[in-house]
Amino acid sequence: AQSVTQPDIHITVSEGASLELRCNYSYGATPYLFWYVQSPGQGLQLLLKYFSGDTLVQGIKGFEAEFKRSQSSFNLRKPSVHWSDAAEYFCAVVPSNDYKLSFGAGTTVTVRA
Amino acid sequence: SAVISQKPSRDICQRGTSLTIQCQVDSQVTMMFWYRQQPGQSLTLIATANQGSEATYESGFVIDKFPISRPNLTFSTLTVSNMSPEDSSIYLCSVRPGLTDTQYFGPGTRLTVL
Repeated sequence: AQSVTQPDIHITVSEGASLELRCNYSYGATPYLFWYVQSPGQGLQLLLKYFSGDTLVQGIKGFEAEFKRSQSSFNLRKPSVHWSDAAEYFCAVVPSNDYKLSFGAGTTVTVRA
Repeated sequence: SAVISQKPSRDICQRGTSLTIQCQVDSQVTMMFWYRQQPGQSLTLIATANQGSEATYESGFVIDKFPISRPNLTFSTLTVSNMSPEDSSIYLCSVRPGLTDTQYFGPGTRLTVL
């Protein structure tokens, strides 16, 4: 079955440390890939997206993601987290043969001082 | 980009009543969607709101429970009918200007049903 998986439900990281959030997808062809962030009480904001081309994608707020076709992954990274990065992060996909955006379960990031 | 507003931002309703949520976009868009986010959960697509025709509902969602209107390319409404506590969720309007464009989300309507 087609799906997008975020294996980590909750990650705690120290301020200034690096962060990596995992996302794996299961689709016949490479879908369009997205990372969104939802801060407490806020709507969803797009961090970055991958359609084709360079597999290392730069986004807003210092985030980047790397598409790895061989691993069906699109992991999100940030070299040094700030307290304001505490939020819920969603990986999402649009299949190449569809138009609907489907979300992973989300990863909650807690930043400790 | 697209700027989306939703009304109301939050509401507390009684069991058995209905609530209509409005979604306004600052530009004309072809594709408009409604999502539900239950407490502590991810987003689930309710339906695609089509301009000039009936909405297309996802499995598990029906028109009688979630009627949708899309009178033009900048506006849509979602009604949550005959509400129960299980309908307590955040309802989000979303648009995609083109098939391969970024999908934007409104701020959401936080609904609590007592």
